[in-house]
Amino acid sequence: KNEVEQSPQNLTAQEGEFITINCSYSVGISALHWLQQHPGGGIVSLFMLSSGKKKHGRLIATINIQEKHSSLHITASHPRDSAVYICAVHNTDKLIFGTGTRLQVFP
Amino acid sequence: DTGVSQNPRHKITKRGQNVTFRCDPISEHNRLYWYRQTLGQGPEFLTYFQNEAQLEKSRLLSDRFSAERPKGSFSTLEIQRTEQGDSAMYLCASSFAQGNSPLHFGNGTRLTVT
Repeated sequence: KNEVEQSPQNLTAQEGEFITINCSYSVGISALHWLQQHPGGGIVSLFMLSSGKKKHGRLIATINIQEKHSSLHITASHPRDSAVYICAVHNTDKLIFGTGTRLQVFP
Repeated sequence: DTGVSQNPRHKITKRGQNVTFRCDPISEHNRLYWYRQTLGQGPEFLTYFQNEAQLEKSRLLSDRFSAERPKGSFSTLEIQRTEQGDSAMYLCASSFAQGNSPLHFGNGTRLTVT
């Protein structure tokens, strides 16, 4: 079993739909990251959080430390949101990554 | 600040050849990480440096892999006697040393071993 599990693995949506991606982890963490990776390979950090909730534009990230669970929400999804979304946890000095959720948003 | 820079972007090599990749981190960052990502998987930790000191190496890093950061600035990752299983995206990231500093990633070097 991976230390960081994401669901779903693949997700398709129509433009405008509300999207939720889930992340569960089994190790102790000091912070959790949500990352976005486009087909070219570059990774962009969306959020880093250790408690509660953060919002940036149409993106919302929440974390429940007791349940070892985090969610990434995208409101009013758009085709340009199509990417792989990766959850990663900060364990000691390094990140442990989930396998990612591939999101495709169709117009 | 131009972000984290990796060269080359793509490398195609024949099995058995040696390859070397370079990463230039954000200049103020003292931590530098190497990750490897295969198709459909999340990145896997390989090694990291704090300044010029290599602090941790993953078991994934066989004897054919070596990484250096001689002056605490740029880093190189060398793979000797490449194998087809080495084909992957090699990602570099940098950060400040404080515990939860966000990582900044380069665009990666995609290696194809034929």
